[in-house]
Amino acid sequence: GENVEQHPSTLSVQEGDSAVIKCTYSDSASNYFPWYKQELGKRPQLIIDIRSNVGEKKDQRIAVTLNKTAKHFSLHITETQPEDSAVYFCAASPYGGSQGNLIFGKGTKLSVKP
Amino acid sequence: GAVVSQHPSRVICKSGTSVKIECRSLDFQATTMFWYRQFPKQSLMLMATSNEGSKATYEQGVEKDKFLINHASLTLSTLTVTSAHPEDSSFYICSGVAGGPHEQFFGPGTRLTVL
Repeated sequence: GENVEQHPSTLSVQEGDSAVIKCTYSDSASNYFPWYKQELGKRPQLIIDIRSNVGEKKDQRIAVTLNKTAKHFSLHITETQPEDSAVYFCAASPYGGSQGNLIFGKGTKLSVKP
Repeated sequence: GAVVSQHPSRVICKSGTSVKIECRSLDFQATTMFWYRQFPKQSLMLMATSNEGSKATYEQGVEKDKFLINHASLTLSTLTVTSAHPEDSSFYICSGVAGGPHEQFFGPGTRLTVL
């Protein structure tokens, strides 16, 4: 089945710097890759997603890139702010998304220091 | 985005009792709902996929007789943890799929503590 690896597990940056989180997946049939932000004790919130027919997507300070050949995708946050501090999860939808279920990476705890 | 609610938000129970958790899609019809379990400082682990009107599909290692899932309507799925034990203490989160086959909307989660 699908396996999603996420790195790093923790990331500390200074306010204003950029943060990059990387994920790899194993199932070449996966075609949907969302990123979720989860604050302590709360539900995951979708922050950006990308589908396999697109190589890059940007939404203000957040961008995601996808390399289908290498089977990896990355989250880029620019001009980080303290409120960006949270745990970020990448995910992949296997079976070409036909079943809708997501396989999550283990998460990255991002700390943005003011 | 679409709204998913869960009830209760927190529950404390004695070992050996059963606990029911409800997951509702408030403003959309969810033909598919997913149940996840999240231990402290860990990722979300998919437990089962619940389709309205049919039996749930459980992930490997998840006991279907212990975690009973019912998806009786397009807006309600329930997870019952039977004969709960302390090791079942966790954060249980549901999600529903609206519209396309991918985008999932998560409930706020239920914190289960088994004494």
